[in-house]
Amino acid sequence: QSALTQPASVSGSPGQSITISCTGTSSDVGGYNYVAWYQQHPGKAPKLLIYEVSNRPSGVSNRFSGSKSGNTASLTISGLQAEDEADYYCSSYTTSSTRVFGAGTKVTVL
Amino acid sequence: QVQLVESGGGVVQPGGSLRLSCAASGFTFSSFGMHWVRQGPGKGLEWVAFIPYDGSKKYYADSVKGRFTISRDNSKNTLYLQMNSLRAEDTAVYSCAKDALAAVAASDFWGQGTLVTVSS
Repeated sequence: QSALTQPASVSGSPGQSITISCTGTSSDVGGYNYVAWYQQHPGKAPKLLIYEVSNRPSGVSNRFSGSKSGNTASLTISGLQAEDEADYYCSSYTTSSTRVFGAGTKVTVL
Repeated sequence: QVQLVESGGGVVQPGGSLRLSCAASGFTFSSFGMHWVRQGPGKGLEWVAFIPYDGSKKYYADSVKGRFTISRDNSKNTLYLQMNSLRAEDTAVYSCAKDALAAVAASDFWGQGTLVTVSS
């Protein structure tokens, strides 16, 4: 149950697009279309942004989009805004019927 | 509205035990699977355990298997985590999270967490 691999940090200027990768194995990310993405602001509870690789819950901005290729999932934030500065975590269902999170990516808006 | 309120955290010596609770309201608790997730100081999220809506099975991270037990009481709308043989590396904020409606392997509501500190 090793954590999924995410870049420690990603930055971009307002209005730009950034992409956060999330790499696992065929036992988790690559084996199922059950990848979720969460946003966490300091001191706050995580917020679900994406589920089942590319689906957005009601109320989540369409600036957030998800995709997957092989063992790597990706979250793209388009039209970057100051309020997007936060930590982002991916998670995946696994062959053991458990869950695994990524190590997290800190997004900085320059 | 959905509310998840954790309690039971505190300071405990290595080898000790604690029982965490998560009081749920605002949704039909007995219809949803529930998770415990922890976050160590300055660290990322770590999934700890899951129990389906009916408590029929229990799943654990390798790091806590054999030491922690997840359970639920649907009559009290409460989720529990019994933690035994605690270690320094178990120090974290423990949060409960609800399975999302119509979404597989995703949680749509989280509590604010309760802090567990394992120290002598």
